[in-house]
Amino acid sequence: DIQMTQSPSSLSASVGDRITITCRASQGINSYLAWFQQKPGKAPKSLIYAASILQSGVPSKFSGSGSGTDFTLTIYSLQPEDSATYYCQQYNYYPLTFGQGTRLEIK
Amino acid sequence: EVQLVESGGGLVQPGGSLRLSCAASGFTFSNYWMTWIRQAPGKGLEWVANINQDGNEKYYVDSVKGRFTISRDNAKNSQHLQMNSLRVEDTAVYYCVRAGSGRNVGSFNMWGQGTVVTVSS
Repeated sequence: DIQMTQSPSSLSASVGDRITITCRASQGINSYLAWFQQKPGKAPKSLIYAASILQSGVPSKFSGSGSGTDFTLTIYSLQPEDSATYYCQQYNYYPLTFGQGTRLEIK
Repeated sequence: EVQLVESGGGLVQPGGSLRLSCAASGFTFSNYWMTWIRQAPGKGLEWVANINQDGNEKYYVDSVKGRFTISRDNAKNSQHLQMNSLRVEDTAVYYCVRAGSGRNVGSFNMWGQGTVVTVSS
């Protein structure tokens, strides 16, 4: 199975900051990488697919990049509503697998 | 309104069965792969199974193979997850999820609100 490792596991940032979350695959997955946002008690929300393409309706403050084994999610101009857990997910191989999540706290 | 609504969750004893359902609306259901994803209490996301548009191609995570069966009814815009021989470790919120298209069928672009399955004696 492809292991997806996110770093950091948690981070704290201030309103207006820019943050970057990294996701590393245990082997190359081309650009078949997605990102999700999940707030407590809510269903996940899809943010990005194909490593860098925003899902419909997702604001441009979210940006994804990478290919092969190393990927990043960048969030610009943080707002309190960005507080959530973020997950990456590979879909190049079955079983489809997720990273362990990165908890983002807005100070 | 485009939405997915799950039902069928509940409390079941180990070894028991449950059948989850997902009603889709607001889009052409038969055009999309569909997926089930679960999340154990306090844990991350785990892909469980998916099914192609006409139901003849299915994939499962190893931990549920031989116990769970994914199916769909395009005439009723619904998908199902038959869960047999349930284990305590199957306890989770189960999400019905619509997959992407083309080369991105392994990605997900719409989620239901989830249904809770609790396996306990």
